[in-house]
Amino acid sequence: EAGVAQSPRYKIIEKRQSVAFWCNPISGHATLYWYQQILGQGPKLLIQFQNNGVVDDSQLPKDRFSAERLKGVDSTLKIQPAKLEDSAVYLCASSLDSDGSGGAAGANVLTFGAGSRLTVL
Amino acid sequence: AQSVTQLGSHVSVSEGALVLLRCNYSSSVPPYLFWYVQYPNQGLQLLLKYTSAATLVKGINGFEAEFKKSETSFHLTKPSAHMSDAAEYFCAVAGAGGTSYGKLTFGQGTILTVHP
Repeated sequence: EAGVAQSPRYKIIEKRQSVAFWCNPISGHATLYWYQQILGQGPKLLIQFQNNGVVDDSQLPKDRFSAERLKGVDSTLKIQPAKLEDSAVYLCASSLDSDGSGGAAGANVLTFGAGSRLTVL
Repeated sequence: AQSVTQLGSHVSVSEGALVLLRCNYSSSVPPYLFWYVQYPNQGLQLLLKYTSAATLVKGINGFEAEFKKSETSFHLTKPSAHMSDAAEYFCAVAGAGGTSYGKLTFGQGTILTVHP
């Protein structure tokens, strides 16, 4: 099966500019996640969607970050305006289900995309 | 709340030597535990997962991990390191149910270096 697709792979912008990242999850995966990975740290969850609804966006800096998942398939993460501290890799992941109803133990395995590396100057 | 602590941000071993990467977790619910590997400029790839079946879990590339509830640990091991194992490894915890299901909380990562 095709993996999780992300674009662009690399983006360099000036602070206060805006940027958008796109993610196409694995076909049939109901749940989509955006993680932020700052250099030297583990990934941190920004937002979780189930189909086209938001499950958890408690860690999303809503004054500058926004995300949507129209039609419950692909998703866009936007940053406007960007700050220096937003420099990071933005990882998109998807999973088959999000509520444990999949039946098989451990059915909720996340598959990650290659990430979009953002540098803010 | 869930958390993961990886002991040692850098581990260096010789080729053929034992690999041991340490992970301790904290979870208020029965956890699912994962190890992911990240090669340079790539996304995270699942190595193995613990889902309350067997406490000794075997993964890809010869890695395995043992869940020890009494020690709240899930250390990753490989008997003999290969040069291709050089990468960054992340331990992660997710709740097995409820609102924490599916939400991975990651440790800070351990960079594994393998010397010839």
